[in-house]
Amino acid sequence: ETGVTQTPRHLVMGMTNKKSLKCEQHLGHNAMYWYKQSAKKPLELMFVYSLEERVENNSVPSRFSPECPNSSHLFLHLHTLQPEDSALYLCASSQDLERGGGPVYFGPGTRLTVL
Amino acid sequence: GQNIDQPTEMTATEGAIVQINCTYQTSGFNGLFWYQQHAGEAPTFLSYNVLDGLEEKGRFSSFLSRSKGYSYLLLKELQMKDSASYLCACMDSNYQLIWGAGTKLIIKP
Repeated sequence: ETGVTQTPRHLVMGMTNKKSLKCEQHLGHNAMYWYKQSAKKPLELMFVYSLEERVENNSVPSRFSPECPNSSHLFLHLHTLQPEDSALYLCASSQDLERGGGPVYFGPGTRLTVL
Repeated sequence: GQNIDQPTEMTATEGAIVQINCTYQTSGFNGLFWYQQHAGEAPTFLSYNVLDGLEEKGRFSSFLSRSKGYSYLLLKELQMKDSASYLCACMDSNYQLIWGAGTKLIIKP
């Protein structure tokens, strides 16, 4: 049990659909992250939020749109995705960004398939 | 550029010992993390090293040599449940985590 929850766990969508991924952390952390994990590739950092402000956007296509309404919740809005966007999307949190902030703790992920 | 190298796959026998190596090249260094990830599950934090030496935590130990840009994760008394991918990650000077692609460990009876 990691204290970070994600819904849905599995999602199949067409290229014209709009969907959202939801993440909630129950650890009292100040930083939250979206990662993309593709088979046999390193984790790719997509977005970082610290105290609800976005501090990192690693050249992610605009078809991915994050939202952080408060320090416990994080969303990833998806629209007009491509088949190559199929992957495991992991939400994570850590205590802080400054001074390393300790380890990141991951949610169980959303397995996304784009048809 | 920044880079983390670790073997793609390793096989070991139940009850034995296995060492998973990780070498890194990063812009600055603020610590190295090891994570375990079972198939279809989230990565879970195993260990953190920021100073040279060995950190022991039960059956798992992690070693760091900053001068060599090298770490290893040592797993003793292997159990079938240790079959998983093991991810190495370094924190650079900007406190960004740089991830390796992971080592898939297969345990055979």
